Amino acid sequence: DAGVIQSPRHEVTEMGQEVTLRCKPISGHDYLFWYRQTMMRGLELLIYFNNNVPIDDSGMPEDRFSAKMPNASFSTLKIQPSEPRDSAVYFCASSLGLAVDEQFFGPGTRLTVL
Amino acid sequence: SQKIEQNSEALNIQEGKTATLTCNYTNYSPAYLQWYRQDPGRGPVFLLLIRENEKEKRKERLKVTFDTTLKQSLFHITASQPADSATYLCALRAGSQGNLIFGKGTKLSVKP
Repeated sequence: DAGVIQSPRHEVTEMGQEVTLRCKPISGHDYLFWYRQTMMRGLELLIYFNNNVPIDDSGMPEDRFSAKMPNASFSTLKIQPSEPRDSAVYFCASSLGLAVDEQFFGPGTRLTVL
Repeated sequence: SQKIEQNSEALNIQEGKTATLTCNYTNYSPAYLQWYRQDPGRGPVFLLLIRENEKEKRKERLKVTFDTTLKQSLFHITASQPADSATYLCALRAGSQGNLIFGKGTKLSVKP
């Protein structure tokens, strides 16, 4: 398996534009997580899905952020409109279960909003 | 409030020495704790998991301890090598169905 795949790896956009980040989890994993990492706040969970259903989106900063998982092999995180404070590295991760299972992270998308 | 803290942002040691990283938490009662390694430009990679009823866990040159009384986990790398240089993150799950909460990490630099 190729591991968790994220695209794009880098995104530079201007304030007010829509940004869509994409993730393909490891096949067979039932859980998918979206994280954001910044120097100030570290790695923060935004939302996670179980079997394509959003379970906890309490980490989503505001209504400008939305996430979908239309099927078991694809998820998107959308920011509309984007703001400079959204600049961060966004990681997608997947796992078999939620309890003791380790999470497998993708390489991340570095987002810069000018 | 609930917090998970890694004692230092950066740790510099000499090759061959033992690196010891600390993870402290407050107002959590985690069933287990995980340690991850993150290299620049990459996502975190899982290293070890230790459960609340385990005092110590080993994997090759890595050793993790978990003291639920002190609310602390220690992560040791023995005979450290420059290739061990990376950021190490601790993470705990608050309850059996809770999310993983990550510390901010400690950046370890091993000098030859």
